Amino acid sequence: GGIITQTPKFLIGQEGQKLTLKCQQNFNHDTMYWYRQDSGKGLRLIYYSITENDLQKGDLSEGYDASREKKSSFSLTVTSAQKNEMAVFLCASSGLNYAEQFFGPGTRLTVL
Amino acid sequence: GDSVTQTEGLVTLTEGLPVMLNCTYQTIYSNPFLFWYVQHLNESPRLLLKSFTDNKRTEHQGFHATLHKSSSSFHLQKSSAQLSDSALYYCALITGNTGKLIFGLGTTLQVQP
Repeated sequence: GGIITQTPKFLIGQEGQKLTLKCQQNFNHDTMYWYRQDSGKGLRLIYYSITENDLQKGDLSEGYDASREKKSSFSLTVTSAQKNEMAVFLCASSGLNYAEQFFGPGTRLTVL
Repeated sequence: GDSVTQTEGLVTLTEGLPVMLNCTYQTIYSNPFLFWYVQHLNESPRLLLKSFTDNKRTEHQGFHATLHKSSSSFHLQKSSAQLSDSALYYCALITGNTGKLIFGLGTTLQVQP
C-alpha cells in the first residue's frame, strides 16, 4: 500500500497573496493530479502530470501554477488568492491509464 | 467535449429502501471507462466501482452498476440502503489515453433511520 500526504492541512491567506500547497506520494505512481472541490461544483481538475517535470493543464488552470519536482511530489501555487475564496484542494495519483486514482486528505483554503 | 451528468444533487432515503443514483455521460470515444467514487464526511474520495465492459454488472461492497453504452448510462444501485451509505457519490469518466477523470457534480445520499 501507499499514502498521499498534503501540506498544510489548513491554509489561511490574504487577498493577493501567493500560496503554495504540497503533495507527496509513496505509491511510486507516474501520474499526479490537483483538483479543486467546491460545494455543489464537483471535483474540477486544475493540473496533472504524467511524469517528472511534465505538466498538463486541466479545466481550471487559470490562476494557478504547478510543479512536478520529482516523481513523488507535486506542488500547486495559487498565484493571487481571491478574497473570500474557500475551497478544498485534493491531490491524487494513479499508476496506469484507467487505474484507480488515490486521493490525499486535502488542503482547506480560506482567504480573508 | 466529454461530460458526466448526475441529475440528483441530494437523495434522501429511509434505511432498508433500494438506492439508485443516476449517471449519464457524453463522449465521442467508443470505449469509455466509467467510475463511481464515494466520499464520506471529512474523508477523501475513494473508488467504489469501475467498468469499461458494455452490459456487464460490476459489484463491490453491496453496490452494483452496469455500463450501458446504448444509453450512455452507468447508474449506481444497491438493494437496501444502510445508514453508513450516507455520503457524497461521484460518477466519473475517462476517455482516450490521458488518464484524466471527468467528474459529475456529485449526488449526496442521506439515509435516515
